[in-house]
Amino acid sequence: EPEVTQTPSHQVTQMGQEVILRCVPISNHLYFYWYRQILGQKVEFLVSFYNNEISEKSEIFDDQFSVERPDGSNFTLKIRSTKLEDSAMYFCASRETPRETQYFGPGTRLLVL
Amino acid sequence: AQKVTQAQTEISVVEKEDVTLDCVYETRDTTYYLFWYKQPPSGELVFLIRRNSFDEQNEISGRYSWNFQKSTSSFNFTITASQVVDSAVYFCALSENTNAGKSTFGDGTTLTVKP
Repeated sequence: EPEVTQTPSHQVTQMGQEVILRCVPISNHLYFYWYRQILGQKVEFLVSFYNNEISEKSEIFDDQFSVERPDGSNFTLKIRSTKLEDSAMYFCASRETPRETQYFGPGTRLLVL
Repeated sequence: AQKVTQAQTEISVVEKEDVTLDCVYETRDTTYYLFWYKQPPSGELVFLIRRNSFDEQNEISGRYSWNFQKSTSSFNFTITASQVVDSAVYFCALSENTNAGKSTFGDGTTLTVKP
């Protein structure tokens, strides 16, 4: 069964450093998303991406965040200058159309020290 | 704006008991999609069910069943004869019928099933 994959599974970084979280969506999916879950809290929407551009972003997704689809398979989330409060689990998701089920990757657990 | 409320923060039951997890949602959309996800201690989000707003039929899958009522904006989830492996955080989510199609999640309900 096709699945969304994410790398790395865990990342530890120093405050102020840049991190890139990588995702490989399901191959025939066209809509891509990043969500964040701070430990013990709910899953929060960050950004949606379709047709090589951002279709919607939340208030959390400020100028330190960016997304890119550098090739036909990867979808990346870059955090330019990490802060302590960026420590969270980051989930990538994809779906074929907005009406279909959104499938989540296993997540990347980011720890900013 | 969309909102999903899971009023039960934590539920604890003994194995073999039935348990119902509540989910109430708010949306102005006439077409929308509802989901339940399970998050075990390992952290991944496991898809359980998707329901379209225009399909109010209840669904049963093994020990799991879902009750969707548009009149009360609720989409409740029942586990029959609970097992220890059912222990997890369960999230209800609402998805828009837009090009973005983002999902709004509830706060989650932590279910603990004791042997």
